[in-house]
Amino acid sequence: AQKITQTQPGMFVQEKEAVTLDCTYDTSDPSYGLFWYKQPSSGEMIFLIYQGSYDQQNATEGRYSLNFQKARKSANLVISASQLGDSAMYFCAMREGGSNYKLTFGKGTLLTVNP
Amino acid sequence: DTGVSQDPRHKITKRGQNVTFRCDPISEHNRLYWYRQTLGQGPEFLTYFQNEAQLEKSRLLSDRFSAERPKGSFSTLEIQRTEQGDSAMYLCASDFTGGGWMAEAFFGQGTRLTVV
Repeated sequence: AQKITQTQPGMFVQEKEAVTLDCTYDTSDPSYGLFWYKQPSSGEMIFLIYQGSYDQQNATEGRYSLNFQKARKSANLVISASQLGDSAMYFCAMREGGSNYKLTFGKGTLLTVNP
Repeated sequence: DTGVSQDPRHKITKRGQNVTFRCDPISEHNRLYWYRQTLGQGPEFLTYFQNEAQLEKSRLLSDRFSAERPKGSFSTLEIQRTEQGDSAMYLCASDFTGGGWMAEAFFGQGTRLTVV
């Protein structure tokens, strides 16, 4: 079974609107962290936001917020006030407490922001 | 420090040739990772070093692949007898033990390998 599932291969959003990118995960480890990375066409993975399994509040970083629903095993990324520069691939990833620190990535969602 | 650096950025090689990639992590980071990313997929874990010790290797890392981190600083990834299926982006990432499993991993810009 896939550990990280991103069901949206592509998403479109109008500039200045909000968009939600979906991510569900599967783990039996009580200790884990969920990460979102942005990958523009240049190829570099850029860290956006982190949510720990024991965190009581949803993480926020500027225009990025993470809608963490632990019982449903979902960790959706919300981007508010989309900008043209947000157009990129977005990857959800998980690091499990007993995983020797490696990240497991989903297949990604290609976000296109339209003017 | 300017972040994780990878060299070369692009490599085109003929099938059967050997190639070597280099990764320079952020200087204070003692953990280093190699990932492989094929078109339309997320990165897949290849191997992981803590200081100079290689602590885990993925099943994806066949006998033709070898990675080193001789002094716990830069790392090299060598692919021997390259095959067309090796064509991919090879990403290096680093972080530090003090962050535990919550540490943010910083990625380089990757080396794009094309085997012709």
